Amino acid sequence: AQKVTQAQTEISVVEKEDVTLDCVYETRDTTYYLFWYKQPPSGELVFLIRRNSFDEQNEISGRYSWNFQKSTSSFNFTITASQVVDSAVYFCALSEITQGGSEKLVFGKGTKLTVNP
Amino acid sequence: DTGVSQNPRHKITKRGQNVTFRCDPISEHNRLYWYRQTLGQGPEFLTYFQNEAQLEKSRLLSDRFSAERPKGSFSTLEIQRTEQGDSAMYLCASTAGTGYSPLHFGNGTRLTVT
Repeated sequence: AQKVTQAQTEISVVEKEDVTLDCVYETRDTTYYLFWYKQPPSGELVFLIRRNSFDEQNEISGRYSWNFQKSTSSFNFTITASQVVDSAVYFCALSEITQGGSEKLVFGKGTKLTVNP
Repeated sequence: DTGVSQNPRHKITKRGQNVTFRCDPISEHNRLYWYRQTLGQGPEFLTYFQNEAQLEKSRLLSDRFSAERPKGSFSTLEIQRTEQGDSAMYLCASTAGTGYSPLHFGNGTRLTVT
């Protein structure tokens, strides 16, 4: 079965600091997808990025960047120059095909990021 | 695109009562998921619909849980004879297409069973 580990339960930084959120996954699939979602206090999960297992290029989107390394089964997320609005719980997720052949996501436990002014 | 809508936002019920939640997905999204999230945990998959067909149910979904999606539009999740362990946030998500298209989540329904 798929497994996602986010070892950092909570991280607290001061505004403008860089912060990296770790994600380690386990899968036997050769083709899979990895995701990051953000959950602000309002509760709605917001999609940030999707990566497929064949694309190991790092990606940058504004202050956000992602480092995908198949060799270490990691998909880490870095926020550069953090802002108070980045405060949220961040979830890493891994695709899984169910026994019935349906697609679903397996989520990690999340990392709560607090950015202090 | 008005987003995924869930009602009610909060529900407090006494143990043993039945509750029903509603999810209105983004229009024309043929795929709909229900997830459950407890405090300090990530969302856990409950069930999946493709159009009106319920294609997958998690082992987490006991016989007290039932979900429907009539006509492939909105969906309802009913919990019968609620237990305190059912207290959680129930999240609905929808998407279109395949290939693990990103899920669009609603704000969730927070259930408290007293």
